[in-house]
Amino acid sequence: EDQVTQSPEALRLQEGESSSLNCSYTVSGLRGLFWYRQDPGKGPEFLFTLYSAGEEKEKERLKATLTKKESFLHITAPKPEDSATYLCAVQAGNDYKLSFGAGTTVTVRA
Amino acid sequence: DTGVSQNPRHKITKRGQNVTFRCDPISEHNRLYWYRQTLGQGPEFLTYFQNEAQLEKSRLLSDRFSAERPKGSFSTLEIQRTEQGDSAMYLCASRDGQGQYEQYFGPGTRLTVT
Repeated sequence: EDQVTQSPEALRLQEGESSSLNCSYTVSGLRGLFWYRQDPGKGPEFLFTLYSAGEEKEKERLKATLTKKESFLHITAPKPEDSATYLCAVQAGNDYKLSFGAGTTVTVRA
Repeated sequence: DTGVSQNPRHKITKRGQNVTFRCDPISEHNRLYWYRQTLGQGPEFLTYFQNEAQLEKSRLLSDRFSAERPKGSFSTLEIQRTEQGDSAMYLCASRDGQGQYEQYFGPGTRLTVT
């Protein structure tokens, strides 16, 4: 069965203090690894899809990278509006569904 | 593109009552998913439709749960004889049938069973 583990569970940052979130995964034949952002009381908002080891994607202050066993979401010079829960999910090659980790809740203080 | 919509946004019901939720996917998306999310956890897969066909159901989907997608458009998720353990956020997602695999989520329906 697919497994996704995210660390840390929570991260408190000062505005401008860069950091990284980790997503470790075990999946039978990775079709894609996905990063979402979720604000309290709302549905997940799609950020990135990574398909193969070595791939990188960037959007504003966020950069996602992928290896054969884990993915990192780097937040560069975060702002308070980057405060959210960041979810990682995988899709196996022979599967329809996404399997999610429990998320990392990021709080950025001004 | 107005995104995925879900109704109602919040539902409070008493234990034993039936509830029904609706999801309207992005118009050109033929694939639709239901997930359930409890506090502090990531979404868990419930069921998947390709057009009007329900192709996969999770073991989480007990016989009190039923989902439909008539004519391959909107979808409904019904929970019969609700239990307190059904309290959760119910999320709907959709994607198109082309090469990209990312799913786009709606705002969710928050169910509270008292």
